[in-house]
Amino acid sequence: QVQLQESGPGQVKPSGTLSLTCTVSGDSISSSYWWSWVRQPPGKGLEWIGEIYHIGTTNYNPSLQSRVTISVDKSQNQFSLKLDSVTAADTAVYFCARGAQAIVGISDLWGQGTLVTVSA
Amino acid sequence: DIHMTQSPSSLSASVGDRVTITCRASQSISTYLHWYQQKVGKAPKLLIFGSSTLQSGAPSRFSGSGSGTDFTLTISSLQPEDFATYYCQQSFSRPYTFGQGTRLEAK
Repeated sequence: QVQLQESGPGQVKPSGTLSLTCTVSGDSISSSYWWSWVRQPPGKGLEWIGEIYHIGTTNYNPSLQSRVTISVDKSQNQFSLKLDSVTAADTAVYFCARGAQAIVGISDLWGQGTLVTVSA
Repeated sequence: DIHMTQSPSSLSASVGDRVTITCRASQSISTYLHWYQQKVGKAPKLLIFGSSTLQSGAPSRFSGSGSGTDFTLTISSLQPEDFATYYCQQSFSRPYTFGQGTRLEAK
């Protein structure tokens, strides 16, 4: 059974860097999937952050592109999110997800999500 | 960016009701429209992709339709476990965008 699990600090200081890792179990991250990050501010809707293909190709939301980096670590079967210069507006539950093979851009498997609070 | 608008934003219904949620895209997205269900404190769960294809494991009481800019999600007979928030999402072009959500509550 394939599972995704987010990990990382639950609190980040303003102007700092948010760093999260998604560990994939039950499948190889080198399989032909897109791996994504999506976030959800408390009580609000979903925002697509970006995605990475196992060969390293990335796509980012232009609204975050100047601050975001998604990378893959094949040796650890993980992919990661870094978001620089965070503010309170970046406080959200961050989900990692696996792209479905049927159609590009949808996610058929999600991690449970991790809350990151930006606060001094 | 393609803007997705769902209606209604919230909906009260009873078990056994037929429920319809609408999603409108700001431009044509063919059938690159997908529906997710999210329960409180949980990750979204893919229900329907490609406007009308039921995801494996999703109950057959869920159905979707539409193309271009107007889409619907229908629950034919509401079950207790269906009370949740539903999101539409387009993957016609990046950045992929979601509707604001429709909260389905018990009447």
